[in-house]
Amino acid sequence: GAGVSQSPSNKVTEKGKDVELRCDPISGHTALYWYRQSLGQGLEFLIYFQGNSAPDKSGLPSDRFSAERTGGSVSTLTIQRTQQEDSAVYLCASSPTSGGAGETQYFGPGTRLLVL
Amino acid sequence: AQTVTQSQPEMSVQEAETVTLSCTYDTSENNYYLFWYKQPPSRQMILVIRQEAYKQQNATENRFSVNFQKAAKSFSLKISDSQLGDTAMYFCAFMKFRGAQKLVFGQGTRLTINP
Repeated sequence: GAGVSQSPSNKVTEKGKDVELRCDPISGHTALYWYRQSLGQGLEFLIYFQGNSAPDKSGLPSDRFSAERTGGSVSTLTIQRTQQEDSAVYLCASSPTSGGAGETQYFGPGTRLLVL
Repeated sequence: AQTVTQSQPEMSVQEAETVTLSCTYDTSENNYYLFWYKQPPSRQMILVIRQEAYKQQNATENRFSVNFQKAAKSFSLKISDSQLGDTAMYFCAFMKFRGAQKLVFGQGTRLTINP
C-alpha cells in the first residue's frame, strides 16, 4: 500500500512569510508524528497526534509553530513568520495506533524548508 | 530525559566487510525500545531493526544484528557482508515503554560502503 507522503518536497520562502507543510499518513494509522531534522539540532520531536487530538506538543519550538489534523488523517504543520533558523527538513511519521508500545513509525520523505 | 549518543560521525568500509556502529543511551527507565533507522539520500527513514529492552536475546534481521548491553546502556548495530546499498545515515533511537511514543534520536553516523 501507499506509504506516508509529504508535500511539498521542497519549499523556499522569505523570512517573515508563513508556510504550511502537509503530511498524508498511511491509511488507517491513528498516530502521527512530526519531527525536524536540522544541522545544528539533529533529529528532534515536534508534536504527536492521536486521532485529531495532540496530547504531546512538547517539541514545538515556539508559538510560531502549530499543527492540526483533520478527519484522523491529513496533518498540516504551519510555521508563521518564518525565521532562518527554521530551515530544516520536516519529517512526518505514522504508526497504526499509539496504544501499542514500541510500534514502528513509518516515515515520509520529508519537506526541505529553506528560509532566505 | 533520555539522551542517545552516537560517537562515530562517519565510517567507511569496503564492500563485503563487516561494520559495527556504536550507540549509547541514558535513561532511568527499566523497560523501553531501541531502534536503528537508515536514511539514504532519498531522505526517507527506514527501520532497520528494533529491540525490546525486556528481551535479553539480541535482535537480528538478515545481515543486520545488534549487540544490546542493557547494563552498559549500549546498543550497537552490526552489518555483515556490507553492500553498496547500505550507504546511508544511520540513526539510533530510543522510545519509552509506556507513555509518549516519540522517538529520541542520536546524532547519526554517516556510513559509506566503497566498491
